[in-house]
This record gives sequence, C-alpha cells and structure tokens, in this order.
Amino acid sequence: SQTIHQWPATLVQPVGSPLSLECTVEGTSNPNLYWYRQAAGRGLQLLFYSVGIGQISSEVPQNLSASRPQDRQFILSSKKLLLSDSGFYLCAWTGTVAKNIQYFGAGTRLSVL
Amino acid sequence: GESVGLHLPTLSVQEGDNSIINCAYSNSASDYFIWYKQESGKGPQFIIDIRSNMDKRQGQRVTVLLNKTVKHLSLQIAATQPGDSAVYFCAENNGDSWGKLQFGAGTQVVVTP
Repeated sequence: SQTIHQWPATLVQPVGSPLSLECTVEGTSNPNLYWYRQAAGRGLQLLFYSVGIGQISSEVPQNLSASRPQDRQFILSSKKLLLSDSGFYLCAWTGTVAKNIQYFGAGTRLSVL
Repeated sequence: GESVGLHLPTLSVQEGDNSIINCAYSNSASDYFIWYKQESGKGPQFIIDIRSNMDKRQGQRVTVLLNKTVKHLSLQIAATQPGDSAVYFCAENNGDSWGKLQFGAGTQVVVTP
C-alpha cells in the first residue's frame, strides 16, 4: 500500500535561518506531489506542485522554494526564514489513476521565532 | 476569483445525533468534490468523494449530497461519535489536469456528550 512520510513533525527555527522539509512517498510511481501551508484555524493554501522529477510549479510568490530530486521525494526549502513562514506544512500526493484524490502526510509544525 | 466556502465555521452536535456540514461552491465548471476530515495536529484524511454526474453517494455512516442547481454540497454524518470531532473541509476540482484542488475554509465539528 502507499504511504507518505513527512519530517520533522515539529520544528522551531530562528528568523533568518534556512529551512528544509522533506516528503517521501512509498508504494507508487510517478505521483503528483503538492506542498500546502495551513495557518492556525484556516484552510489549506497550495504552495507548490510537481508532476515529475525536476518539474515544479509555484502557486504563490513567497520566501519558499521546492525541489523534486527523485520521483518520490519532494523538498520544501527556504534560504532565510521570516516570521510569516510559521505554520503547518502539509505534503500530499495523487496517484496516476485516481488523480483527483490527494492523500496527505502528517504535516510539519514550523514555528519561526 | 471563484472559490469554495462553508456556511458555518463551528457545528456543535450531541453524541448520537446526525451532523450536516454544508459547503457552497461558485465554479460551475467543477466536476469533482471531496470531503476531508482533519483532526487536531494531523493531516487531512479523505472521507468521501462525488462526481458532478451524481447527486448522492453513501459511505460508512457518511453521505454526500450534491445540488448542482444551487452549487451546494453537504456531508451528513449519521450517529455522530466523539471521534468525529474534527475540522471538515470540502474541496473541488474544476477539471484541472494536474489534480489541483480548491479547499474551503473548513467547519469545526464539536461532539458533546
């Protein structure tokens, strides 16, 4: 069966420090991958999506970037974190058959202080 | 822009009663809808989906109704249990080939004893 892993679960970083969040999917090939951010008590904001290795589309201009170095690996990065980057970051994937259903990881709670 | 939204931010339900969560959408091109459940500190979990060529679909203790005339979607939970306490999101796909979804703001369901 397919599973998705995100780490770390929580992260506290100082302003100006770099960021790297990792997401990996197991049990499927060539998934579509997505990064979302969720502010407290709010809905999900799509940040990036990828339909293949090295193919990244950005939805919202911001202080973040994404990369997909391998088929089932999706990385969210920042060179210098801002206070406004705090939030709950979620990775999701869809399969090659049921492309509409996104399956989410457990998320990373990022606090920038 | 077109969006998906929810009528009620918080729904308080007595244990054993039925819950009804509503969602309005404005994009008439949307052809696929999903309900997600998100427990505190976790990623959203797929509950049920429905295509625009259907008006009703049933799962285990859940039923989704779609009224395309008024662009309204609802999720009914039968015999609500304490474990149903969570935030519920509706999401729509407007035929996007990359599987992107538009999420509503969410409804907090609180189950009281």
